[in-house]
Amino acid sequence: GAVVSQHPSWVICKSGTSVKIECRSLDFQATTMFWYRQFPKQSLMLMATSNEGSKATYEQGVEKDKFLINHASLTLSTLTVTSAHPEDSSFYICSAIEAGGQETQYFGPGTRLLVL
Amino acid sequence: AQKITQTQPGMFVQEKEAVTLDCTYDTSDPSYGLFWYKQPSSGEMIFLIYQGSYDQQNATEGRYSLNFQKARKSANLVISASQLGDSAMYFCAMRGDNAGGTSYGKLTFGQGTILTVHP
Repeated sequence: GAVVSQHPSWVICKSGTSVKIECRSLDFQATTMFWYRQFPKQSLMLMATSNEGSKATYEQGVEKDKFLINHASLTLSTLTVTSAHPEDSSFYICSAIEAGGQETQYFGPGTRLLVL
Repeated sequence: AQKITQTQPGMFVQEKEAVTLDCTYDTSDPSYGLFWYKQPSSGEMIFLIYQGSYDQQNATEGRYSLNFQKARKSANLVISASQLGDSAMYFCAMRGDNAGGTSYGKLTFGQGTILTVHP
């Protein structure tokens, strides 16, 4: 149980285009999902907290107009990188909390974004 | 604010030996949770073990155990009988459990330790 999927796993796009990344909890409902960004050999940095049915909460320094988050249902959150630039190239990982218990965050497999 | 420190950028261990990965933390939250995750080269984050700040006993999960020393603010991960498949990056993380606090529910990660298991 507690499986989180992400799609796509890899994406290469041209500078200036927008990219949408999906995060799904496959076998549980997640009222809260988190989006992280990770550069090579570095730690995970929280970008935003996504709550179902409400606006996402962004961490300091993260542009909300650049990284659009939509948590449309209890099993799906999407991150859209708008007008992507090469510096947005990174590994994006989502996580979801399974309600109850220890509220452990279960992570998706991540999405590698390369902006040319 | 929460802070997690992993002072070992890299660790090496012989197969079948035990290894300890260090983690210290700092927080003003009275209630918090400590986690360890494994990240292999594929990038996925694999949950290993959890310790609540009020848990009296150290957490154990199979070959993983967490050496929780609250007074020292340390939460070291012990992997017993290392296997080649244990080679990966390991992250210590903290979650604030103080409802209403700015860190509530969020995970703060350490810098990570790359573990290499030699045959």
